[in-house]
Amino acid sequence: SQTIHQWPATLVQPVGSPLSLECTVEGTSNPNLYWYRQAAGRGLQLLFYSIGIGQISSEVPQNLSASRPQDRQFILSSKKLLLSDSGFYLCAWSEEGLRGTQYFGPGTRLLVL
Amino acid sequence: KNEVEQSPQNLTAQEGEFITINCSYSVGISALHWLQQHPGGGIVSLFMLSSGKKKHGRLIATINIQEKHSSLHITASHPRDSAVYICAVRSGGSNYKLTFGKGTLLTVNP
Repeated sequence: SQTIHQWPATLVQPVGSPLSLECTVEGTSNPNLYWYRQAAGRGLQLLFYSIGIGQISSEVPQNLSASRPQDRQFILSSKKLLLSDSGFYLCAWSEEGLRGTQYFGPGTRLLVL
Repeated sequence: KNEVEQSPQNLTAQEGEFITINCSYSVGISALHWLQQHPGGGIVSLFMLSSGKKKHGRLIATINIQEKHSSLHITASHPRDSAVYICAVRSGGSNYKLTFGKGTLLTVNP
């Protein structure tokens, strides 16, 4: 069966520090991968998606970047965090193609101080 | 105006009651998702539908494409159903993006 992991679960970082959040998927090949952010009081917002290794699409201009160095690994990064980067970050995967259900990871709660 | 509107924003019910959560959207879609988010933050996908009706246990999801409207029903509600229920749509065409509603917070009291 497929599983999706995210770490860390929670993170408190100072403004201006770098960020690296990791997401890995097991039990499937060539999944579509997604990074979402849920800010306090707001709905989920798609940040990035990837349909393959090294293929990243950005949905909104921002202070963050994403990379997919391996088929089942998706990394969310920042060189310098802003206060506005605080939120709940969720990784998700779906089967290759457009029609699959998205399965979400447990999320990372990030607080930038 | 958000492309996906959910109502109500908050809903409190007594155990055993029949629950309905509504979702309206303003764009043409290829699929609509209902998700459940528990207090810890984890999200579970409940349904993905593009027409008609789907049922899983005590949960029923319906969609009316012409009216751009979907409903999520919970029969015989239970306190463990307490969660945020989120509607999300994927617009038509080659588009991986889901647009999310802000969610409905459901609290079921014993």
